[in-house]
Amino acid sequence: DAGVTQSPTHLIKTRGQHVTLRCSPISGHKSVSWYQQVLGQGPQFIFQYYEKEERGRGNFPDRFSARQFPNYSSELNVNALLLGDSALYLCASSLSALRANTEAFFGQGTRLTVV
Amino acid sequence: AQTVTQSQPEMSVQEAETVTLSCTYDTSESDYYLFWYKQPPSRQMILVIRQEAYKQQNATENRFSVNFQKAAKSFSLKISDSQLGDAAMYFCAYRITTSGTYKYIFGTGTRLKVLA
Repeated sequence: DAGVTQSPTHLIKTRGQHVTLRCSPISGHKSVSWYQQVLGQGPQFIFQYYEKEERGRGNFPDRFSARQFPNYSSELNVNALLLGDSALYLCASSLSALRANTEAFFGQGTRLTVV
Repeated sequence: AQTVTQSQPEMSVQEAETVTLSCTYDTSESDYYLFWYKQPPSRQMILVIRQEAYKQQNATENRFSVNFQKAAKSFSLKISDSQLGDAAMYFCAYRITTSGTYKYIFGTGTRLKVLA
């Protein structure tokens, strides 16, 4: 069975540009979460989507947005890129967003470098 | 404040020996789950072990076990019979449920080196 897949694996963008990161959850999983992991830090929560609706948002500026599609895949969009947006972006999928004992499975991430 | 503190940026252990990674956390929630994740150079976060906060018994998964002290808000990971493949970044995290959904709060990680 395929795990959580993210694309692209690496990306280099220029300041001020826009970027779209993609995530395909494990088959049957309806919830997708996004995390930002800056070098040397632990992942920070950005968004959670469940059944195509935003269920949670972390402390990130409005330049960050996301959406979930009918097939439960998800996109994370970042506008007006800053150097500080350089990070590993992780996607996690789970069966549900509502059950506390639901386990999340992480993808391998997209390494975004802003120059 | 919702925080996780891992006070050991780096640890080393001899192969076949035992090592303990420390973690403390701060939350006002009463219902939460605690986790240790391993992140090798491949970058994928791999679940090592988890503990339900309402359970007093410490979780064990093969060579990995935890020492969960709820009152002290401490959640350390013990790795026995360390293997070269255990070398990685280890992140302590807890998961809370808020507003009908949940999120993970991660620590800053401990880099574990295993010496042959």
